[in-house]
Amino acid sequence: AQKVTQAQTEISVVEKEDVTLDCVYETRDTTYYLFWYKQPPSGELVFLIRRNSFDEQNEISGRYSWNFQKSTSSFNFTITASQVVDSAVYFCALSEANFGNEKLTFGTGTRLTIIP
Amino acid sequence: KAGVTQTPRYLIKTRGQQVTLSCSPISGHRSVSWYQQTPGQGLQFLFEYFSETQRNKGNFPGRFSGRQFSNSRSEMNVSTLELGDSALYLCASSLWDRGPEQYFGPGTRLTVT
Repeated sequence: AQKVTQAQTEISVVEKEDVTLDCVYETRDTTYYLFWYKQPPSGELVFLIRRNSFDEQNEISGRYSWNFQKSTSSFNFTITASQVVDSAVYFCALSEANFGNEKLTFGTGTRLTIIP
Repeated sequence: KAGVTQTPRYLIKTRGQQVTLSCSPISGHRSVSWYQQTPGQGLQFLFEYFSETQRNKGNFPGRFSGRQFSNSRSEMNVSTLELGDSALYLCASSLWDRGPEQYFGPGTRLTVT
């Protein structure tokens, strides 16, 4: 069975600070996908990034960066120079890498509050 | 390109009633998934449809059902509503050829009284 753990329930940082959201996953699959989604107060889940299990390259997109480490089953997300607009609930998710089984297993989410 | 749309956005029902929620995927997306989000259970997978066929189903009772039409639009139905069915129901669509990521709609907030 697949499992995603986001141990940080809530994080508050002052604007412009860097913050890292942790994600640890469990799966017996040899190939899988990992995702991060953002859920602002409006409720809609916004896709941020997808990472394939066979690609351990870290990725940077503007102020966002992701660190995937297969050895520790972690897929952490860092926001640099945080802004108030980053305030949201962030979810890490996992799915099998098989066409026909696109079910997402989500973590419990981390509520991030950026204090102006 | 328009995103995933869901109707209605808000719904209030009474215990014992049934409800139908609708989802229109992104144009060209043939896979539609449904998720339930509650404070206690978080985000849970309900079912997934592709080309009018249910491919996967989560651990929900038979009161939860769905279907997909030939234009990829999907509906989910909940019969004999219970208080615990109060939740945000999210629909997502994906185009596997471009990647497995799912794109979510704004959700339908269902309140059962």
